[in-house]
Amino acid sequence: EPEVTQTPSHQVTQMGQEVILRCVPISNHLYFYWYRQILGQKVEFLVSFYNNEISEKSEIFDDQFSVERPDGSNFTLKIRSTKLEDSAMYFCASSVKRGQSSYNEQFFGPGTRLTVL
Amino acid sequence: KQEVTQIPAALSVPEGENLVLNCSFTDSAIYNLQWFRQDPGKGLTSLLLIQSSQREQTSGRLNASLDKSSGRSTLYIAASQPGDSATYLCAGTSGGSYIPTFGRGTSLIVHP
Repeated sequence: EPEVTQTPSHQVTQMGQEVILRCVPISNHLYFYWYRQILGQKVEFLVSFYNNEISEKSEIFDDQFSVERPDGSNFTLKIRSTKLEDSAMYFCASSVKRGQSSYNEQFFGPGTRLTVL
Repeated sequence: KQEVTQIPAALSVPEGENLVLNCSFTDSAIYNLQWFRQDPGKGLTSLLLIQSSQREQTSGRLNASLDKSSGRSTLYIAASQPGDSATYLCAGTSGGSYIPTFGRGTSLIVHP
């Protein structure tokens, strides 16, 4: 069964460093998403991406964050200068469609645990 | 703005019990309601997705219902097992945004 994959599973970085988190969405999906979950807190939406551009973003997704689909399969989240508070689990998700459609289910990857020291 | 609340926050039951996890949401113009399972330090496993036109979905020992008028969804787990121990999250997607809003989850422990 197709699934969303993410690499790495765990990333440790120093404050101020740039990190790139990678995701491979399910191949026939058109909508891609990033979420984060700080330890013990709710899963929070960061950004959605469709047709090679951001379609929606939250207040969390500031200028330090960027997303890209560099090729036909990968979807990346870049954090330019990491802060301690960026430590969290980051989830990628994808869906065929969105809104009122029977194909709107989002499928989540296993997550990347980012630790900023 | 959609808000999702899950009650109880934690639940501990003996093996074999049938149990109900509750999820309430504020915006009844909901596209779908999804239930997830999350093991400690792990990702989200989708359990059931209920579209707005549906009232319930079943998968094995799990049954999820959706009542838009009352703003509630329930996840029923029959004959609970220790392997069911995990955190259960619900997430609702509603009109005006295509993004699911998550609850804090119910942490379930099923002891032998």
